[in-house]
Amino acid sequence: DAGVIQSPRHEVTEMGQEVTLRCKLISGHNSLFWYRQTMMRGLELLIYFNNNVPIDDSGMPEDRFSAKMPNASFSTLKIQPSEPRDSAVYFCASSLDRGKPQFFGPGTRLTVL
Amino acid sequence: AQKITQTQPGMFVQEKEAVTLDCTYDTSDQSYGLFWYKQPSSGEMIFLIYQGSYDEQNATEGRYSLNFQKARKSANLVISASQLGDSAMYFCAMRDGSTNAGKSTFGDGTTLTVKP
Repeated sequence: DAGVIQSPRHEVTEMGQEVTLRCKLISGHNSLFWYRQTMMRGLELLIYFNNNVPIDDSGMPEDRFSAKMPNASFSTLKIQPSEPRDSAVYFCASSLDRGKPQFFGPGTRLTVL
Repeated sequence: AQKITQTQPGMFVQEKEAVTLDCTYDTSDQSYGLFWYKQPSSGEMIFLIYQGSYDEQNATEGRYSLNFQKARKSANLVISASQLGDSAMYFCAMRDGSTNAGKSTFGDGTTLTVKP
C-alpha cells in the first residue's frame, strides 16, 4: 500500500506568491492532519480534519493560511501571500480512526525568499 | 487539555546498550492512544509503536517496547540493543479516542545519540 503522498517535496518561492501544498491520504483513512516543523518552534499542529470536516484550525497561524479537503482522500494547504517566516517543513499525516496512530508523508520543504 | 512532556532534550547511549526515553502525558479522556515516532536527520517521521489506553500488556515492536504506567501517566520508550542507526529525534505523542474527534498532541522530542 502506498503511504501518504505529498507534493511538491521542495518549493522555493518569493515573498508574496501563493503556495499550494498537496496531500493524498492513505486509502481508508478518515483523519487528516497538517503540521509545520521549524527549528525554532518544533512540530506544530496547524489543522486537522475528521471525515472531511475541519475539527480544529486553532493552529493555523493567520488568515493567509487555508486548508481544504475537497474529497475523502485529498487535501490542500494554501498560503497566500507567502512570507519568509513561513519557511518550514510542512507535513501531512493521516490516520484510520480516533486514538489510532498517524502516518506521516515525507514532507514539503518550503523556502520563501 | 492534552499535554505531552518529554523532559530529556538529549540522551546518549553506548552501542548495544538499552536506553529509556521518558514521556509523561495528561488528558481528561478515558480512551486514548500513545505513540512514539522517530525522526532521523533525513527528516521523515517514522511511526514506531502504539499503546492503547485500555491495553493491559505493554506494546512491543522488535527492539522497541513501551513501558506504559497508566496510574503515573507515563509512556516511556525502551530501545534495546541500540544501534548507530537509532541516532535520531524521538517524539512521544497521544491522540484522544473519544472526545475532540481524535485531537493529537506531540511532545518536544528527545535527541538520541548512539555512541560506537
